[in-house]
Amino acid sequence: DAGITQSPRHKVTETGTPVTLRCHQTENHRYMYWYRQDPGHGLRLIHYSYGVKDTDKGEVSDGYSVSRSKTEDFLLTLESATSSQTSVYFCAISSGTGLVNTEAFFGQGTRLTVV
Amino acid sequence: GQQLNQSPQSMFIQEGEDVSMNCTSSSIFNTWLWYKQDPGEGPVLLIALYKAGELTSNGRLTAQFGITRKDSFLNISASIPSDVGIYFCAGHRNRDDKIIFGKGTRLHILP
Repeated sequence: DAGITQSPRHKVTETGTPVTLRCHQTENHRYMYWYRQDPGHGLRLIHYSYGVKDTDKGEVSDGYSVSRSKTEDFLLTLESATSSQTSVYFCAISSGTGLVNTEAFFGQGTRLTVV
Repeated sequence: GQQLNQSPQSMFIQEGEDVSMNCTSSSIFNTWLWYKQDPGEGPVLLIALYKAGELTSNGRLTAQFGITRKDSFLNISASIPSDVGIYFCAGHRNRDDKIIFGKGTRLHILP
């Protein structure tokens, strides 16, 4: 299994509170991604990173911010959690070789409930 | 935004039947990926394709990278109960591009 650890695995938080999810990798891969998964929507990209301090928005980035201060960690922050952010969050990593990006490997997911 | 059109959305089949699902795009991709997700787990990579026309097998699974680079298919032969799950196609358009996912095909196997 690829060395990806998400923490926490489960969290319940109150509306309006900030929440930070952590993704840690031991593979030294360049690319890291945060997705959310909701019924009927598949996997939707929130933010991704293509290097330390290099990040970009995905299709559902509103209300989320990210930081990548070192290769192994990619943090996802919900600045003020809302009930619509109740979801399962997945981190993924991938490496790149030349012009080709390689396959991505996923973490086990974080189930976040905002009450 | 860019989307991958994955079909069918769901399938109900009998054990032992073959399964086929596909993914299409309006853009050219240089990588196609197929994943399976079991309940409560993260997606797991099944097959990765890097070259137009490439046909790759992984046990009972076979996937092809379309010659136009705008589509891919996944076949499962002789389905078994543990094949149940959600199958996702995904791909990259270029190296620094984000991975784009289809919405998934949910496979059900009837007893």
